[in-house]
Amino acid sequence: GNSVTQMEGPVTLSEEAFLTINCTYTATGYPSLFWYVQYPGEGLQLLLKATKADDKGSNKGFEATYRKETTSFHLEKGSVQVSDSAVYFCALTMNTGFQKLVFGTGTRLLVSP
Amino acid sequence: EAGVVQSPRYKIIEKKQPVAFWCNPISGHNTLYWYLQNLGQGPELLIRYENEEAVDDSQLPKDRFSAERLKGVDSTLKIQPAELGDSAVYLCASSLTGKSGDTQYFGPGTRLTVL
Repeated sequence: GNSVTQMEGPVTLSEEAFLTINCTYTATGYPSLFWYVQYPGEGLQLLLKATKADDKGSNKGFEATYRKETTSFHLEKGSVQVSDSAVYFCALTMNTGFQKLVFGTGTRLLVSP
Repeated sequence: EAGVVQSPRYKIIEKKQPVAFWCNPISGHNTLYWYLQNLGQGPELLIRYENEEAVDDSQLPKDRFSAERLKGVDSTLKIQPAELGDSAVYLCASSLTGKSGDTQYFGPGTRLTVL
């Protein structure tokens, strides 16, 4: 079946450090890929998405590129802020029919001043 | 615009008791989802509604879980009787159409603790 694998957390960084959170997927076919973020006490929010190979999703300084050859969708940010502390979920859905999100286990990011 | 509303935010019950969660989706959203999120895991789909019809309930444990979406707007998820292993966060989400390119908007969830 379809699945998403994320790097284990927590990821602990100092403010202004470079962030990478790895995400790889297994899917029969070519899915759309998403990053969701969950801030403390809030629901999941869509951060960015990419619907086909080589697409780059970006939002709020975060970026991720859909790499079909490595089945990856790694999340990056050049300079993190304390306010970026949250749990980040990578997810996929197949592009046929209705959306059925399959999530990874999440990666907690802690940014210290 | 109001987001997805869920209540209660927290619920503590004894095992074997019934419990119900309520969700009000974003106005105009035809598709409503219920997810289960265990500690340290990503959300897993329990059931999806298109208007008032449950179109994907393959992951819903039907012996104890039930859901309804009367009038195609708000929805209730029920567990009866609850078991210790049901302790988790129950998330509701909605989207405009449910098609693969659509965006799902999530509520804050209900954290259930079964003692």
